[in-house]
Amino acid sequence: QVQLVQSGAEVKKPGASVKVSCKASGYTFTGYYMHWVRQAPGQGLEWMGWINPNSGGTNYAQKFQGRVTMTRDTSISTAYMELSRLRSDDTAVYYCARERPGTVTTALEVWGQGTLVTVSS
Amino acid sequence: AIQLTQSPSSLSASVGDRVTITCRASQGISSALAWYQQKPGKAPKLLIYDASSLESGVPSRFSGSGSGTDFTLTISSLQPEDFATYYCQQLATFGQGTKVEIK
Repeated sequence: QVQLVQSGAEVKKPGASVKVSCKASGYTFTGYYMHWVRQAPGQGLEWMGWINPNSGGTNYAQKFQGRVTMTRDTSISTAYMELSRLRSDDTAVYYCARERPGTVTTALEVWGQGTLVTVSS
Repeated sequence: AIQLTQSPSSLSASVGDRVTITCRASQGISSALAWYQQKPGKAPKLLIYDASSLESGVPSRFSGSGSGTDFTLTISSLQPEDFATYYCQQLATFGQGTKVEIK
């Protein structure tokens, strides 16, 4: 079955970087855009950007420009999201999510289980 | 950037109630809207895409409508498993969420 499995929880100090992985299975990895969405504790959802696993092309939310890098390794069907210069307000659960093709809007039909990133000194 | 405003922010309802959640866009977005359900500690689940298309496997008591700037998610008969937080989304923007609680 189609699934996205993310890497485990991370604890980082302010100023450090974190790299979260998202391994896809059950479908052709290069056929679907992958998005990253985060959710701070008790807060709503925040879109971070997407990567086209086929071309490697990316589109980042303006808020994260210069701090986020999304990459992929097609040989192992895995997408990555790296966030640098971490601050305490980057503490959140980070999700990868596959985009549903053929829709007018961006619709995220398959989600990873989430990765908690805690930024604390 | 487009803003999405959901109302209400929370509501209390009973099993069997008809529930309507509204999402208003700051500018016209045609039918480019999705709805998600999220339960505590879980990833969001896609319910509706393109404003009114029901995602496969989602119960038919869920429906979406609207276009332009005003959209609604309706649950025709609330079930115990429907108590959750609901979000609308357009491209890079999510609404702030509507928490549906048990009355």
